[in-house]
Amino acid sequence: AQSVTQLDSQVPVFEEAPVELRCNYSSSVSVYLFWYVQYPNQGLQLLLKYLSGSTLVKGINGFEAEFNKSQTSFHLRKPSVHISDTAEYFCAVSDWGKLQFGAGTQVVVTP
Amino acid sequence: EAGVAQSPRYKIIEKRQSVAFWCNPISGHATLYWYQQILGQGPKLLIQFQNNGVVDDSQLPKDRFSAERLKGVDSTLKIQPAKLEDSAVYLCASSFDRSSGNTIYFGEGSWLTVV
Repeated sequence: AQSVTQLDSQVPVFEEAPVELRCNYSSSVSVYLFWYVQYPNQGLQLLLKYLSGSTLVKGINGFEAEFNKSQTSFHLRKPSVHISDTAEYFCAVSDWGKLQFGAGTQVVVTP
Repeated sequence: EAGVAQSPRYKIIEKRQSVAFWCNPISGHATLYWYQQILGQGPKLLIQFQNNGVVDDSQLPKDRFSAERLKGVDSTLKIQPAKLEDSAVYLCASSFDRSSGNTIYFGEGSWLTVV
């Protein structure tokens, strides 16, 4: 079965600073990778996904992620965060159409 | 376009009682999922439907959990009897079909507290 590991459980960051959230995946076949965001008391919202093609994927709200096959990674980045980016972020891999999620990374943005 | 609708949003019950959650997916979406998200963890798939048939229920605790999607549209997830460890958010999600690259859309969740 395919799986993902999120390497950081919590990432504190100052407003307007860059942030990187790390995600490694395990798969021996073609892989489809996703990043979702969960704001407090809400469901999950898709930020971006990688299916194939360009390894740099751009998503909503200024986020982007880079697929690295040799390092089996799919790290999420934003060059300048806002207070409103405070949320939990989940990396996921599609396993026959079902999402397998990592444990999540809590991002806390402070002024 | 309307998103995935879930109700109730919040429920508090005593252990050994029963509870039911309802979900209405995005119109035209054939695939429906129920996920369980325990505080501090990532969502875990409980069951996947394709139209009105079950595709995967391998992680559904069938001694107490049941789910149905009789007409291939909305779905109900039931827990009977509830245990303390069932306290979680139950997320319903839907996608156009089972293709691996499809976006899966989530509802806002039903928060269950078992006391």
